[in-house]
Amino acid sequence: EVQLVESGGGLVQPGRSLKLSCVASGFTFNNYWMTWIRQAPGKGLEWVASITNTGGSTYYPDSVKGRFTISRDNAKSTLYLQMNSLRSEDTATYYCTRDLIYNNYFDYWGQGVMVTVSS
Amino acid sequence: DIVLTQSPATLSVTPGESVSLSCRASQGISTSIHWYQQKSNESPRLLIKFASQSISGIPSRFSGSGSGTDFTLSINRVESEDFSVYYCQQSYSLPLTFGSGTKLEIK
Repeated sequence: EVQLVESGGGLVQPGRSLKLSCVASGFTFNNYWMTWIRQAPGKGLEWVASITNTGGSTYYPDSVKGRFTISRDNAKSTLYLQMNSLRSEDTATYYCTRDLIYNNYFDYWGQGVMVTVSS
Repeated sequence: DIVLTQSPATLSVTPGESVSLSCRASQGISTSIHWYQQKSNESPRLLIKFASQSISGIPSRFSGSGSGTDFTLSINRVESEDFSVYYCQQSYSLPLTFGSGTKLEIK
């Protein structure tokens, strides 16, 4: 059974940093791209970052480029999201998702982890 | 960026009715559209990939159609468990984008 379990969320002040983790199981992690998607409270879904199966390439929207960094440790089947210079508009539930290579759709989602940016 | 416009924003139906949800892209995207269902307080779930391709484990009452700029998610005879929010997502080009969702509610 595919499982994606996120952790690392919480309350953080504006301008500070936070690092999310996602432990994957039930599939061969290094055969898949991985993606973070977020959802602000009561709002829709927003793509945050994607990484290829080897970790050799990463992709971001302009809203987080230069502030967020996606990475992975294939030996630990773990995905990360380092979030720096956090803003109030980054407040959201962050989902770890499995992404088919070159297909960019998301067939498995984690339960999500809440990040609140507030003073 | 490719903008996806979903309509209607809310759809009120009676269980047993059949419905169609629309997703329109701001430019042609071939069949690079995917549909998700999100029930209240749950993570989204993939329903349909590449406009019309079925997903293992998803009930056959869900189907998708369309290409280019206009896409439709159809639910044949809505059941009580189907009342939730539906999102479309394009994978044609970066940035990946989602529609704003259609909420399917009980009339």
